[in-house]
Amino acid sequence: GQNIDQPTEMTATEGAIVQINCTYQTSGFNGLFWYQQHAGEAPTFLSYNVLDGLEEKGRFSSFLSRSKGYSYLLLKELQMKDSASYLCAVMDSNYQLIWGAGTKLIIKP
Amino acid sequence: GAVVSQHPSWVICKSGTSVKIECRSLDFQATTMFWYRQFPKQSLMLMATSNEGSKATYEQGVEKDKFLINHASLTLSTLTVTSAHPEDSSFYICSARGAGAAETQYFGPGTRLLVL
Repeated sequence: GQNIDQPTEMTATEGAIVQINCTYQTSGFNGLFWYQQHAGEAPTFLSYNVLDGLEEKGRFSSFLSRSKGYSYLLLKELQMKDSASYLCAVMDSNYQLIWGAGTKLIIKP
Repeated sequence: GAVVSQHPSWVICKSGTSVKIECRSLDFQATTMFWYRQFPKQSLMLMATSNEGSKATYEQGVEKDKFLINHASLTLSTLTVTSAHPEDSSFYICSARGAGAAETQYFGPGTRLLVL
């Protein structure tokens, strides 16, 4: 079966760095997406990785290792507004998005 | 770019009535649109996938006669919840994707449905 695993909840301190991991087992791979979802709102697109390596976009970076079925989202200089759920999603061989359950990130002052 | 709108953002209706939710891609042509449902503190659940001009593909367990989807143009898809009941109360979110199958899905802001 297809499976996406990510931690349920993480806590970090304002100003610090946090890494949210995502491991996946899917039938085929056409890219991995990270979305941010604030409570009560719809998801917003953060990043897309299809090749191995690190993609940096401001305070957020996303890493992919296809051979390991592994990705992480790195958030630097954490701000209180970064408190949200972070969703990992993998596009399989049929171009269907397989969603992880999301990681709730709590930022403390 | 890549803006998706949804209307209405909130709906409160009586049990037994039908509710229509619109999803529009404002600055790109959405070959494919997706409808999701999310219950409080739960994951996104894909309900159906619709391609412009063809019938929607529903996920297992989603009643196609209850959740009618129309994707009549490259910028508009509608979801109609027919004969809504309290258990249909949820957060309904659409997303849209351009012509390439591997393109990013962009989400609308969602519609909160409360059925009394």
